[in-house]
Amino acid sequence: GQQVMQIPQYQHVQEGEDFTTYCNSSTTLSNIQWYKQRPGGHPVFLIQLVKSGEVKKQKRLTFQFGEAKKNSSLHITATQTTDVGTYFCAGPFRDNYGQNFVFGPGTRLSVLP
Amino acid sequence: DTGVSQNPRHKITKRGQNVTFRCDPISEHNRLYWYRQTLGQGPEFLTYFQNEAQLEKSRLLSDRFSAERPKGSFSTLEIQRTEQGDSAMYLCASSAGTGDYEQYFGPGTRLTVT
Repeated sequence: GQQVMQIPQYQHVQEGEDFTTYCNSSTTLSNIQWYKQRPGGHPVFLIQLVKSGEVKKQKRLTFQFGEAKKNSSLHITATQTTDVGTYFCAGPFRDNYGQNFVFGPGTRLSVLP
Repeated sequence: DTGVSQNPRHKITKRGQNVTFRCDPISEHNRLYWYRQTLGQGPEFLTYFQNEAQLEKSRLLSDRFSAERPKGSFSTLEIQRTEQGDSAMYLCASSAGTGDYEQYFGPGTRLTVT
C-alpha cells in the first residue's frame, strides 16, 4: 500500500543543537512537500521538492530529495525554541484506483531552552 | 483575512446525528482538499476537488461521508450517522493551479461525537 514513514517519531534537543528528520516513501514520488504544524495549529507549507537529488535551503532549514525520489530529509541547524512543532512530509500517490495525497506520521520536535 | 476559513470551529454531536462542515478556500484556488487528523497523527486524505469536480475520494472512506463543492467555490463535508470513531479534527486546504502545489490549510473543525 501507499506508505510514508518518518523517523524519528520524537526528538528532544537543546536549543542550539541540530535536528534532522527523515522521510521514506514506499513508492517513487513526483514531488514531496514538507509542512510544519505548531501545537494547536494547522499544517503550514514549508517547501516542495521536485527534482531527483534536489537540495533547497531556507535560512537554517535544509531540505533534500533523494536520487531515487523515494526519500527526503529536513535538517535544522542551531535549533531555536520557535522551531518547536511537528514536521510532516507529504506527497501525491497514484495507483490503479486514482490519486491521493499522503502525509507521513510526522516528527515532533521539542527544543529545550 | 484572505486565508482558508472553516466553520464551525467546534462541533459536538450525539452518535447517530448528521453533521455538516463548511470550508471557504482562498479566492480563485482551483483545488480544495479535505483531511481528517487525529491526535498524534498526520492528516489523512479524504477527498479533493478540482474546481467543482470531485476528482478523488479515499477508498478507505465510509459511504457516510460525502462532500460537495458547488460552483467551484466553498465546499461542504457531511457525515451521516456519526460514530464515536468520527471524532477528529477535519481540515480543509486549498491550492492554486491544477498540479500538486503548496496547500494552504484552514484552522479546522474539531468534531466530538458523544
